[in-house]
Amino acid sequence: QKEVEQNSGPLSVPEGAIASLNCTYSDRGSQSFFWYRQYSGKSPELIMSIYSNGDKEDGRFTAQLNKASQYVSLLIRDSQPSDSATYLCAVINDYKLSFGAGTTVTVRA
Amino acid sequence: GAVVSQHPSRVICKSGTSVKIECRSLDFQATTMFWYRQFPKKSLMLMATSNEGSKATYEQGVEKDKFLINHASLTLSTLTVTSAHPEDSSFYICSARGEGAGDTQYFGPGTRLTVL
Repeated sequence: QKEVEQNSGPLSVPEGAIASLNCTYSDRGSQSFFWYRQYSGKSPELIMSIYSNGDKEDGRFTAQLNKASQYVSLLIRDSQPSDSATYLCAVINDYKLSFGAGTTVTVRA
Repeated sequence: GAVVSQHPSRVICKSGTSVKIECRSLDFQATTMFWYRQFPKKSLMLMATSNEGSKATYEQGVEKDKFLINHASLTLSTLTVTSAHPEDSSFYICSARGEGAGDTQYFGPGTRLTVL
């Protein structure tokens, strides 16, 4: 069983719409959760970290965590063409990051 | 803050040669550095974890004699790919975690290695 699973995508949304990304994890003891954005040919860039149940907002990004359901999500509001990238969900297990396979998002102008 | 650099950004070498990649934390002290490898269209795979002054801990299936890791200071870790072969061609990315920064890892820009 994979430790971190993401909806595989690709996800195509029109400019200005909301992009919704989902992630589940298998280790119930995980405490730290991250969303990274990776442009093609580049390394991952941290977008959000979340540690407590509920929502965390940063600009157009909102991360949601539900530890009971072992579920993390990322919402991108007012999507822009520059948001087109692969989004990686990552969970800390024993001080090491476990990554999901990533969801590729394309924002159509 | 939390800037991590890697050098070189791109390297092409002949089969059988060794290649050294440097990872530096520029504005914080990195107690732990991580080395990842990423193949095209795949997610990042952790190769090893290194703590300053200690031997690196390698993930299962990663040859420690082939991928030599040194973390000699709190701002520098190196990965040496020894006797490189075409199948070692990949995108190598380091990340660093600083003391007092919790679990957050900051990634370097990556090194694209091509072995001919």
